[in-house]
Amino acid sequence: EAGVAQSPRYKIIEKRQSVAFWCNPISGHATLYWYQQILGQGPKLLIQFQNNGVVDDSQLPKDRFSAERLKGVDSTLKIQPAKLEDSAVYLCASSFLRDGGVGTQYFGPGTRLLVL
Amino acid sequence: SQQGEEDPQALSIQEGENATMNCSYKTSINNLQWYRQNSGRGLVHLILIRSNEREKHSGRLRVTLDTSKKSSSLLITASRAADTASYFCATAYGSARQLTFGSGTQLTVLP
Repeated sequence: EAGVAQSPRYKIIEKRQSVAFWCNPISGHATLYWYQQILGQGPKLLIQFQNNGVVDDSQLPKDRFSAERLKGVDSTLKIQPAKLEDSAVYLCASSFLRDGGVGTQYFGPGTRLLVL
Repeated sequence: SQQGEEDPQALSIQEGENATMNCSYKTSINNLQWYRQNSGRGLVHLILIRSNEREKHSGRLRVTLDTSKKSSSLLITASRAADTASYFCATAYGSARQLTFGSGTQLTVLP
């Protein structure tokens, strides 16, 4: 079974530039999550999708961050414009559960973003 | 946010020794999960324990849950250098349909 795919693996940009990350979850997984992990901390949920609908985006800085999962499969997360404090690893995870329960999440390798 | 908090923040042991990490949380939970993260990699699920369970085993891993103390522990027996990683507890609570992660324990197993 293929795992969660993310690209790119690394990205370096200047502040105020834009960046986009892509995630392809495990086939058949209805729920997709984007997390931000700052060095030395645990992952913090940014947004959760179930199929192509948003379940929770309460911690997404909507003035600069956006995410979509148009066909209920792969997803993109965009930052525009980036700030220095956005330097972090962006993790995508997926879960099979369709009923809103919280079970095992499967994580991709992450995208490491450095904003200069 | 209601987070699990791991203790200790860092742990260094010799290969073959046992490693114990603790997690405390604030509110009643539906389940608690432990994940491992190797340096520069994504998180890998280890064990899920439900609120009505007290102990679970998986290979060299043993997880306990004490809901009266709002705490959990992860025991790794006969540790190996390959166990070197960060370990996170994550809680699912109330009507929230997501996990909240702690800040992790960095385990170093010396050969």
